[in-house]
Amino acid sequence: DAGVIQSPRHEVTEMGQEVTLRCKPISGHDYLFWYRQTMMRGLELLIYFNNNVPIDDSGMPEDRFSAKMPNASFSTLKIQPSEPRDSAVYFCASSPGAPNQPQHFGDGTRLSIL
Amino acid sequence: AQTVTQSQPEMSVQEAETVTLSCTYDTSENNYYLFWYKQPPSRQMILVIRQEAYKQQNATENRFSVNFQKAAKSFSLKISDSQLGDTAMYFCAFLSGGGADGLTFGKGTHLIIQP
Repeated sequence: DAGVIQSPRHEVTEMGQEVTLRCKPISGHDYLFWYRQTMMRGLELLIYFNNNVPIDDSGMPEDRFSAKMPNASFSTLKIQPSEPRDSAVYFCASSPGAPNQPQHFGDGTRLSIL
Repeated sequence: AQTVTQSQPEMSVQEAETVTLSCTYDTSENNYYLFWYKQPPSRQMILVIRQEAYKQQNATENRFSVNFQKAAKSFSLKISDSQLGDTAMYFCAFLSGGGADGLTFGKGTHLIIQP
């Protein structure tokens, strides 16, 4: 089975540009999570979806961040406009059925904002 | 809100030794799940082991085992016969069992296995 697929693996862009990160969860998984990893703050939950519906977006840092899940096999995390402090590794994860099942992580997107 | 604390930023041991990584957490819940994830330099997040809070028996997965002390809110990871491939960041994580939620992670322990 294919795991969680994220793209791109690396993204370098200039401050002020729009950034879109993409995620394809494991087929059949009803929950999708977006996390951010930085040296200062560690791994933190940004938002998660259940059956394509956003459930908790309290971790989204600012209005510049938005996430969508138009269907069960695709989600995006968008930053507009991007700032240097948004530089981080962004992980997508999915889990089957109930949220207390182990989450499976993608390989992450390393984002660098210059 | 839950918190997870890993008090050892870095540890180094010789190959074949046994090493224990510490994790404490704070929660008012009675039903929850605890995990250890491994993150090698490749950046992948790999599930190592999982413990359900309602189970008294400590989880084991081959060379990996946990010491779960619910009253003390402690969840340590023991790696036996350590191997060079065990070199990685290790994250302890908490998941509420009472409803939908994401993982709460500790800051991680960088484990280095020396040849």
